[in-house]
Amino acid sequence: SQKIEQNSEALNIQEGKTATLTCNYTNYSPAYLQWYRQDPGRGPVFLLLIRENEKEKRKERLKVTFDTTLKQSLFHITASQPADSATYLCAGMDSSYKLIFGSGTRLLVRP
Amino acid sequence: ETGVTQTPRHLVMGMTNKKSLKCEQHLGHNAMYWYKQSAKKPLELMFVYSLEERVENNSVPSRFSPECPNSSHLFLHLHTLQPEDSALYLCASSQDLGGANEKLFFGSGTQLSVL
Repeated sequence: SQKIEQNSEALNIQEGKTATLTCNYTNYSPAYLQWYRQDPGRGPVFLLLIRENEKEKRKERLKVTFDTTLKQSLFHITASQPADSATYLCAGMDSSYKLIFGSGTRLLVRP
Repeated sequence: ETGVTQTPRHLVMGMTNKKSLKCEQHLGHNAMYWYKQSAKKPLELMFVYSLEERVENNSVPSRFSPECPNSSHLFLHLHTLQPEDSALYLCASSQDLGGANEKLFFGSGTQLSVL
């Protein structure tokens, strides 16, 4: 079945470092991938979208890559801050119109 | 605020109760969604409405009944739920369905506990 996989273990980094989160997809080829941020008790908030023909997309301190050979997207937060601590979700559109979500990776940025 | 409002924020109900979750979007979007989020699991798509027509019923048990009276409002009617239905129920909207620029706007969710 079509699947989006994210590292379920929390990522714990020091403030100021770059956080890198991984998203792998299997059994399909999404035309684009989306990244969302979710804080506890809140709904996800859209951050970035990257298409399969785009290698890289940037928005302020955020950078997303899309490698169709590795079937992988990387999400980077540079100069991380404690306020970046949250769960980050990756999602890909399937062959119809449904977004398939990963289970998310929790990021903790230590002051 | 995302422009998508869900009520109530928290709900505790017994297995014999009937309750409804409400979602309203102020974004002029044409598509609305119900998702279920359980701990440590990916979001599960439950229902999709496009222009008030249901286009997806993702093998959801009949104890969950959606209603979309207009393009701004979406309800999820609940009856005779099971404890395993306890989860965060998220409503979302998007401008249209399935476009390449689709992005979802989520509400804050209803945290449901079934006793």
